[in-house]
Amino acid sequence: SQQGEEDPQALSIQEGENATMNCSYKTSINNLQWYRQNSGRGLVHLILIRSNEREKHSGRLRVTLDTSKKSSSLLITASRAADTASYFCATPSGTSYGKLTFGQGTILTVHP
Amino acid sequence: NAGVTQTPKFRVLKTGQSMTLLCAQDMNHEYMYWYRQDPGMGLRLIHYSVGEGTTAKGEVPDGYNVSRLKKQNFLLGLESAAPSQTSVYFCASSYPNEQFFGPGTRLTVL
Repeated sequence: SQQGEEDPQALSIQEGENATMNCSYKTSINNLQWYRQNSGRGLVHLILIRSNEREKHSGRLRVTLDTSKKSSSLLITASRAADTASYFCATPSGTSYGKLTFGQGTILTVHP
Repeated sequence: NAGVTQTPKFRVLKTGQSMTLLCAQDMNHEYMYWYRQDPGMGLRLIHYSVGEGTTAKGEVPDGYNVSRLKKQNFLLGLESAAPSQTSVYFCASSYPNEQFFGPGTRLTVL
């Protein structure tokens, strides 16, 4: 069962533009994470936002969480060609033990 | 620190053959996971372990077995490979929230 669903499925922008990806989930959570996957590589953790946080920043990344709407967004500012990757949101699943349910991801392409 | 490593990186099997994928982590994490990633399906959890000697089923466990004899190692076995098991397999470890992923094993079953 899919907990997080990203939107859009694909996004194509020019270098220097901002990229926004959205994630919606179905059940109450205590945190939400975002991961990046470069082509042919493993996922890399970007940021974790807790349910009592509305917004969090890390470098050029800005994540928001709206628990009332069960949604999160990831904003990448001043994007670079190196940001080209797939981006996944992930939420705790089942009885947790660190288990995560991943969305299907947003494929971001940044053109130089 | 090597983080999470996986062997092999690539493998081609014939239907019915068996193989074992090895995952090793050097971060002393209690929790370890095996996922498969298929186009359009995202990552799906196969099995996981919450500590040495423990294993549990994930979302898609059928056709796979696992073992965690040592804390740093998590093995994924395919006893009789099927074409439906063609996929990219990722191992990850965590404690407690952030997961660290290996580079993946690309498996093709003919």
